[in-house]
This record gives sequence, structure tokens and C-alpha cells, in this order.
Amino acid sequence: AAGVIQSPRHLIKEKRETATLKCYPIPRHDTVYWYQQGPGQDPQFLISFYEKMQSDKGSIPDRFSAQQFSDYHSELNMSSLELGDSALYFCASTPGRNTEAFFGQGTRLTVV
Amino acid sequence: GQNIDQPTEMTATEGAIVQINCTYQTSGFNGLFWYQQHAGEAPTFLSYNVLDGLEEKGRFSSFLSRSKGYSYLLLKELQMKDSASYLCAVERSGNKLTFGGGTRVLVKP
Repeated sequence: AAGVIQSPRHLIKEKRETATLKCYPIPRHDTVYWYQQGPGQDPQFLISFYEKMQSDKGSIPDRFSAQQFSDYHSELNMSSLELGDSALYFCASTPGRNTEAFFGQGTRLTVV
Repeated sequence: GQNIDQPTEMTATEGAIVQINCTYQTSGFNGLFWYQQHAGEAPTFLSYNVLDGLEEKGRFSSFLSRSKGYSYLLLKELQMKDSASYLCAVERSGNKLTFGGGTRVLVKP
């Protein structure tokens, strides 16, 4: 069965550069979540989208923005990267509300 | 706001039973998830509790008491591959998952 696809799997950027992370949810899943997980930490909720509209916002820095497109894929745009942005970024999707979230394999971002 | 607490680490022997507790204080509670996460990998779904009581799924069981803000994950007949982090996550209205700090379980031979 198709899973949540994230690209790229690994990304190395320099400070002050920009990065774009992509997430392709499971077909017919209309809700997408983005999480950031630092080394040894639990996933922290960044932002979510339901039916292409932002549905909730967590601890997402102003330097980051995200959107969900007509085909339900989502992109997380990160600008003015800082060393502290180095983390695993997970995308998860659900087929509606109040159901389990299926996670992608994550994008490991390293800022040097 | 919300507060989710779980022990940081637990060690158990292969074949034994381990219980991971999770307490939470949150508004707009919809349900509680347990996820397993191996290092560097994505969290994978284990269980979802909405109503009070015990949900059993093979070697894993999860319990919820909404009035007490308490859940536990019970792992039976531990295997070496069960060594992982176990994340308690509260689902609030708006479909947002808030994770606890995770409990790292180490299974020893």
C-alpha cells in the first residue's frame, strides 16, 4: 500500500540558506501535519492543513511557511536557516479527523 | 495549554512485561495515541483510545481513563525488537497531535 512520501530524505544547507521540504500524503488523505524532531526529542507539531486550508498552527517559526496544493501534497518552506533548524522533519497524513496519523520517513535537515 | 508526562527510560528483560504510563492535562481532548519509534525512523501507530477501558492488540494493550487523564501501554512477552521509544500523543480538537517526551524502552536478553 502507498505510504506518505517525503522528499528529499536528506538535505544539507548552509546558514541563511533556504530549503523546501515536500510531502505527498497517502491517496485520499485530506489532512497533512508537519512535525519537527530534534535529536533525542519528541516530535513537535509545526502546522497542519485540512482540505488545502491551514487548520492549526503550532511552534512554527515565522521564517517557515507551508501550504497544501490542489493535489493535496504539501511543502514546508524554510528561510534564513539557523543551526538549530537541524532536525528530522516528519510529515503525517490522515483520511479525515479523529483518525490515526500515518507518518512519512522524514527529511533529515542538517544546517552547517 | 497541555502537559503530557511519561517516564524517560525503562529497562526490562526479554519475555517480561513492561507498563509505560502517560498522564496528561489538556483541553479539548479527543483521544490518545501510542506510537513506537525506532531511532531515526518515523513513528508507527500502535493504538488509539477514545473511550475509557482497555484495548488489546496482540502483545500490546493500551488503557485510558479520561477522568484521571491517564493512559498506559502494556507490552507483553517482550522481544529484543521492542527496544524503541514509545510516544504517548494526545489528540485535541482541531485534529492536532501533541506528543509526550517519549519513553525509551531497552530490552535486555
